[in-house]
Amino acid sequence: EAGVTQSPTHLIKTRGQQATLRCSPISGHTSVYWYQQALGLGLQFLLWYDEGEERNRGNFPPRFSGRQFPNYSSELNVNALELEDSALYLCASSRWDAENYGYTFGSGTRLTVV
Amino acid sequence: AQTVTQSQPEMSVQEAETVTLSCTYDTSENNYYLFWYKQPPSRQMILVIRQEAYKQQNATENRFSVNFQKAAKSFSLKISDSQLGDTAMYFCAFEVIGNYQLIWGAGTKLIIKP
Repeated sequence: EAGVTQSPTHLIKTRGQQATLRCSPISGHTSVYWYQQALGLGLQFLLWYDEGEERNRGNFPPRFSGRQFPNYSSELNVNALELEDSALYLCASSRWDAENYGYTFGSGTRLTVV
Repeated sequence: AQTVTQSQPEMSVQEAETVTLSCTYDTSENNYYLFWYKQPPSRQMILVIRQEAYKQQNATENRFSVNFQKAAKSFSLKISDSQLGDTAMYFCAFEVIGNYQLIWGAGTKLIIKP
């Protein structure tokens, strides 16, 4: 079974530009979650998509947005990049049966804003 | 607000020793999950162990076990017979059932020395 895949692995952008990050969940998982892992700040919940709809978002400005496609893959878009957006962005997908409940994470996209 | 606290920024032990990582959390909810995740240098967040709050029995997974004290809101991870491959960041996380949003601690860097 293929895991959660994220692309690109690394991304370097200039302040003010837009970044697009991509995530493919495990086959059969319909939910995708995005987390930001900034240096020294731990992981912060960004967004949750399920069945193509945004179900919840964390305490981030509107310039953080995304979408989920019919095949359940997802994009995270960050507009008007700021230096403090530099972080590791992790995507996860989940399954819901009680015996195996948990989140499977990808290896992340390292976004550097210069 | 729900919070997760990991009071040990870094720990190191000799290979084959036993090590315990601490985690406390704060919530007024009664139904939740607790998780320990491991993040090696590869960056992928890997589920180590999961505990349902409604279960009194402590979860175990091979060399990994937890000491779950619900009244004290404590959830420590014990690693027995530690191995070099256990070297990683370890994160404690909490999720209110139905919220589909993980709240994370700041992490503990664990170094296993040969």
